Amino acid sequence: NAGVTQTPKFRVLKTGQSMTLLCAQDMNHEYMYWYRQDPGMGLRLIHYSVGEGTTAKGEVPDGYNVSRLKKQNFLLGLESAAPSQTSVYFCASRRDNGENQPQHFGDGTRLSIL
Amino acid sequence: EDKVVQSPLSLVVHEGDTVTLNCSYEVTNFRSLLWYKQEKKAPTFLFMLTSSGIEKKSGRLSSILDKKELSSILNITATQTGDSAIYLCAVNDYKLSFGAGTTVTVRA
Repeated sequence: NAGVTQTPKFRVLKTGQSMTLLCAQDMNHEYMYWYRQDPGMGLRLIHYSVGEGTTAKGEVPDGYNVSRLKKQNFLLGLESAAPSQTSVYFCASRRDNGENQPQHFGDGTRLSIL
Repeated sequence: EDKVVQSPLSLVVHEGDTVTLNCSYEVTNFRSLLWYKQEKKAPTFLFMLTSSGIEKKSGRLSSILDKKELSSILNITATQTGDSAIYLCAVNDYKLSFGAGTTVTVRA
C-alpha cells in the first residue's frame, strides 16, 4: 500500500552540487507534480507532468529540471544547488484531470543547501 | 495568474471551541476546491467541493463552497488538540494552486 514514495527523505548539499529527487507512485496515475513548501508560503508548484514523456513548468521552475521517462516515476533535478533552494519538497500524483480526483502526496524530502 | 488566499494565517483556540477558516480564490478554469490537513509530513486530503457538491461534512469538520463569492469555509466544531495542524486550501484547474495555509493551534 505504498502510494507515493519520495527518496531521499533528507539531504544536505553544498552550494553548486547537483542532485536528483525521485518520486515513485504505484497507483497508475497519469498526472504527477513537484511542489516546494516554505514557511508562510504554502505549496508552490515547480513542474508537473500530465503523462509519460511530458513535462511542463509550474509557478517556480527556475533552477530545476524534471523528467518523466516512466509513468510511475517523476524525477526532480537540481543542476547547481543554491541556498534559496533549501526547502521541503513534495511530490504528488493524481489519476487524471477529472473533477473529482484529489492529489495524493508523498511524505516529503527535506533539502538543505549550505 | 491564479490566486488562492487563506485567512487567518494562524489562530490559537482552546479545546471545545469552534473555528472557521476562510479561503478565497481567483482562477481561470475552476474545477474544484480541496481542503487538506498537514501535520508533520504530507498533506492529507479532507474534502473536495465542486459545482455539484458544494457542501461536505465529516464528523466535526464541514466545508461549504460559495461559487458566487469565489470562496469556501472550513468549520471545525468541538476542537481537540489533535486538530492542531496547518489547513491548506487548494483550487483545481489542471493543477492545484495552494493558499499559504492557516496554522491552527488547539490548547488543552
